[in-house]
Amino acid sequence: QQQVKQSPQSLIVQKGGIPIINCAYENTAFDYFPWYQQFPGKGPALLIAIRPDVSEKKEGRFTISFNKSAKQFSLHIMDSQPGDSATYFCAAPSFSGAGSYQLTFGKGTKLSVIP
Amino acid sequence: DTGVSQNPRHKITKRGQNVTFRCDPISEHNRLYWYRQTLGQGPEFLTYFQNEAQLEKSRLLSDRFSAERPKGSFSTLEIQRTEQGDSAMYLCASSATEYGYTFGSGTRLTVV
Repeated sequence: QQQVKQSPQSLIVQKGGIPIINCAYENTAFDYFPWYQQFPGKGPALLIAIRPDVSEKKEGRFTISFNKSAKQFSLHIMDSQPGDSATYFCAAPSFSGAGSYQLTFGKGTKLSVIP
Repeated sequence: DTGVSQNPRHKITKRGQNVTFRCDPISEHNRLYWYRQTLGQGPEFLTYFQNEAQLEKSRLLSDRFSAERPKGSFSTLEIQRTEQGDSAMYLCASSATEYGYTFGSGTRLTVV
């Protein structure tokens, strides 16, 4: 069973800053590591995901850095904006005996970007 | 709108009552998942359907919980004899592949 540890629990940055959220996982058997963004009253939305054959992936202002040997991956938000204020979750796959994969989520990081 | 639709958005019920939630996945997605999210926590897996077959159930899914997906289309999640500990956001997600989840906006259940 996959375990996912996410830090920090909360983060406050000024507009234009670069918040960094970290995630550590245990099971190395899988090949997909996503980050989700959740606004109050909404379900989580896929933000960006990485496969471990690369060490970094960028999509717009969002970057995932992946360290396979350390079993860690992190989310960087460049030029953060107040609209980025949300809760961010990392996730990693868990494999069930029935042949299905589920995502195990971290506990989330509440990001506040102040003007 | 081709997203995942969940109804109702909010449900307040008295302890001991039964409640049922509905999820309409993205039409071409054959995989459907139910998750539960409590305040300050990440979503926790409850159950998984591939088409109409329920292939996996979490230990979190007690015998008071039942889920169905008739004909591999929409799904329902029923909670019988609700308890205060059942208060949470119940999220449905669907995908066409193993990982590309699309979540709905959830049903927030409050048991009083």
